[in-house]
Amino acid sequence: GAGVSQSPRYKVAKRGQDVALRCDPISGHVSLFWYQQALGQGPEFLTYFQNEAQLDKSGLPSDRFFAERPEGSVSTLKIQRTQQEDSAVYLCASSLEDRTLWGYTFGSGTRLTVV
Amino acid sequence: QKEVEQDPGPLSVPEGAIVSLNCTYSNSAFQYFMWYRQYSRKGPELLMYTYSSGNKEDGRFTAQVDKSSKYISLFIRDSQPSDSATYLCAMSAGSGNTPLVFGKGTRLSVIA
Repeated sequence: GAGVSQSPRYKVAKRGQDVALRCDPISGHVSLFWYQQALGQGPEFLTYFQNEAQLDKSGLPSDRFFAERPEGSVSTLKIQRTQQEDSAVYLCASSLEDRTLWGYTFGSGTRLTVV
Repeated sequence: QKEVEQDPGPLSVPEGAIVSLNCTYSNSAFQYFMWYRQYSRKGPELLMYTYSSGNKEDGRFTAQVDKSSKYISLFIRDSQPSDSATYLCAMSAGSGNTPLVFGKGTRLSVIA
């Protein structure tokens, strides 16, 4: 596709529920990043994939957060037993391997609200 | 103290004004500096990037980096209502796939 596509755009989850957020990167983009943006804050890094390999997951806030990219294209961020502090916009970005910092393209995000 | 500090505003200016947006940072390892624009309910989009100290100009936008002071700026000339958005500074210690560290963003309104 022309851009990074994320679904759903909005998700309301009851506390304790599991959620799965999907990211479709730009075709051919090798690198994929997940960021979390709380209300009124800048995005914070969660995890990074190069193709199907998860090379950095240092930003995942707890073991309730899990990300995968099994075939090196679509990625899913899963949050188990959601808590209110998980409420945020989850942004996905992709880039060509050789144009990383300048070549990030962000999706519009999934806004998660935990009630 | 966060690694990157940015005044969240809001900042309101009349159309045609020069806008100055700033960030300070504490990590002297940062070498790559970027400015993103984020419209409401959209993802950030890259406006400008610079490496190390110096100035870079692109149309109405000028980015400045002063590594000695750990201070970066974005200037917008002849501001337009369409410039109304949140502006995020971001920086990184390395090229390649090093995670970006963002400021919290400054919300700008340009009034016609």
